[in-house]
Amino acid sequence: DGGITQSPKYLFRKEGQNVTLSCEQNLNHDAMYWYRQDPGQGLRLIYYSQIVNDFQKGDIAEGYSVSREKKESFPLTVTSAQKNPTAFYLCASRKSGATDTQYFGPGTRLTVL
Amino acid sequence: SQQGEEDPQALSIQEGENATMNCSYKTSINNLQWYRQNSGRGLVHLILIRSNEREKHSGRLRVTLDTSKKSSSLLITASRAADTASYFCATSPPNFGNEKLTFGTGTRLTIIP
Repeated sequence: DGGITQSPKYLFRKEGQNVTLSCEQNLNHDAMYWYRQDPGQGLRLIYYSQIVNDFQKGDIAEGYSVSREKKESFPLTVTSAQKNPTAFYLCASRKSGATDTQYFGPGTRLTVL
Repeated sequence: SQQGEEDPQALSIQEGENATMNCSYKTSINNLQWYRQNSGRGLVHLILIRSNEREKHSGRLRVTLDTSKKSSSLLITASRAADTASYFCATSPPNFGNEKLTFGTGTRLTIIP
């Protein structure tokens, strides 16, 4: 899982509550990404950031928000507007100017009760 | 959106046999990568092949790319129990350069000891 940490590994929340997932990297990578993975499915891009204080929507950004105040950190907030938030969330980073290779964290499994 | 489709969705083979999985994609690409995901974990990069390459090797892995057919294959030779995982292809579209990857739906590989 390289130098990317995600916490917590498991997260439970009640319906209607916002929840923030943490992602930290010590790889000095400029770009960071958030993906959602549902059972038996591939990864879908939620948000990505190429540089501090800038981020772009991915394919499924509705109901999510992010911030990128520090190079090392890219937290994801799952808001109450996300209709089906229960999923496995993966954070990744990439060194800008290099290959496309992304380095992934261990993931956070969010369950909304 | 899902760019790649892996085939088969699931594959079970005896330890020591070779495993082949395929990826088809829809639009032009900059390059194609293969990642492995152990159950409940993050993804690990295996190999990258550029659009102007046809074949690449890394240890027991062999990847081919046919841009005319928009397809790639991953061959794992002399499989081991530790190869049990899901395998995903990911494509990088030319218009986005290195910024974004689009993942396929994955092949779940089971190696029977």
